Amino acid sequence: SQQGEEDPQALSIQEGENATMNCSYKTSINNLQWYRQNSGRGLVHLILIRSNEREKHSGRLRVTLDTSKKSSSLLITASRAADTASYFCATSPSGTYKYIFGTGTRLKVLA
Amino acid sequence: EAGVVQSPRYKIIEKKQPVAFWCNPISGHNTLYWYLQNLGQGPELLIRYENEEAVDDSQLPKDRFSAERLKGVDSTLKIQPAELGDSAVYLCASSLEWGSNTGELFFGEGSRLTVL
Repeated sequence: SQQGEEDPQALSIQEGENATMNCSYKTSINNLQWYRQNSGRGLVHLILIRSNEREKHSGRLRVTLDTSKKSSSLLITASRAADTASYFCATSPSGTYKYIFGTGTRLKVLA
Repeated sequence: EAGVVQSPRYKIIEKKQPVAFWCNPISGHNTLYWYLQNLGQGPELLIRYENEEAVDDSQLPKDRFSAERLKGVDSTLKIQPAELGDSAVYLCASSLEWGSNTGELFFGEGSRLTVL
């Protein structure tokens, strides 16, 4: 079973535009992470946000977390063709020692 | 430093045949995970090890799947016999002990299984 659902399922934008993808989850969490997966490759960690944090930045990435709405968003600013990939959120439900991945957003950045 | 190494990268077998996947985690990582990823979906946890102990195998279909992590380092995931529905990518990941500051999972490239 998958705890999180990303929205939209697919997103196509022009290079230089911003890309926003959202993740909703069902239960209270310890923390939430975002990962990127290029086609045919493994997942690469992007950023972790803890349940007591509301916003984090890393380079061109901005992540927000709203625990009251059980949702998170990932913003990629000034997108590049190399950002083309699938993006997954992974939540760590409170009281567990596991990460559960969402269904992913497939981002395509057109040059 | 080497990342998580998995083999084979690709495997094609007939149904009812056995198959095994191998994973070598990052040195010093106590926690090892096996995930299954179907096409267009996110990874789903099969089993998690803390050192050599399987601490969460609730999602592992134990009638045909087995896993081991001898000496708390390398791990092997086996399917016997394989079914058509087992066609997927099997991902291995490792991390420092739970509760470490980053919580980051490091993934291998995956083993893509096709069952004919």
